[in-house]
Amino acid sequence: DAKTTQPPSMDCAEGRAANLPCNHSTISGNEYVYWYRQIHSQGPQYIIHGLKNNETNEMASLIITEDRKSSTLILPHATLRDTAVYYCIVRVDHTDKLIFGTGTRLQVFP
Amino acid sequence: DSGVTQTPKHLITATGQRVTLRCSPRSGDLSVYWYQQSLDQGLQFLIQYYNGEERAKGNILERFSAQQFPDLHSELNLSSLELGDSALYFCASSEDRGLGEQYFGPGTRLTVT
Repeated sequence: DAKTTQPPSMDCAEGRAANLPCNHSTISGNEYVYWYRQIHSQGPQYIIHGLKNNETNEMASLIITEDRKSSTLILPHATLRDTAVYYCIVRVDHTDKLIFGTGTRLQVFP
Repeated sequence: DSGVTQTPKHLITATGQRVTLRCSPRSGDLSVYWYQQSLDQGLQFLIQYYNGEERAKGNILERFSAQQFPDLHSELNLSSLELGDSALYFCASSEDRGLGEQYFGPGTRLTVT
């Protein structure tokens, strides 16, 4: 399984963009990059996923480098409710499970 | 609200006992996944069922078992409980064979004393 590397923690001011990086240098050509977050001890919440192209939805944008070895999740206007642990996950190609790493703990401050 | 329900929310039991955790997936979702989250191990995949059949296995102990019933709800059975089994247990579901997003339930917090 491809592994991901994320910084353990980040801070962001409320209203500013939060840019969360992820390295996945051993990703295979048919593996997707997924982002989930977990607020306190709630169930993880799906944010976005992508293969090669950049993706955007109502929650966030996902920027994947051309060589696909890294990606960045962008929360355009962070709010206090975005304080959570963010997980970057590379989806195993032939099975459907999610393998969570340690994630990035994002703290949004006023 | 993800649409996935889990019962009970909290469970306190003693070592050596057996418990059953229940999960109802979102309406129409055929896949159910179980994950364990403990303080020292993080979120770990345990097992997946698709339309009643086991699809994938992760770090699930032999003392643990699961099944998915014809109505698609799933149960995770934990037996001969040990202190180290204390954790949050999450169920997730997805509508296809898992290429899409997984929706997680609120979890069951198990405390073994």
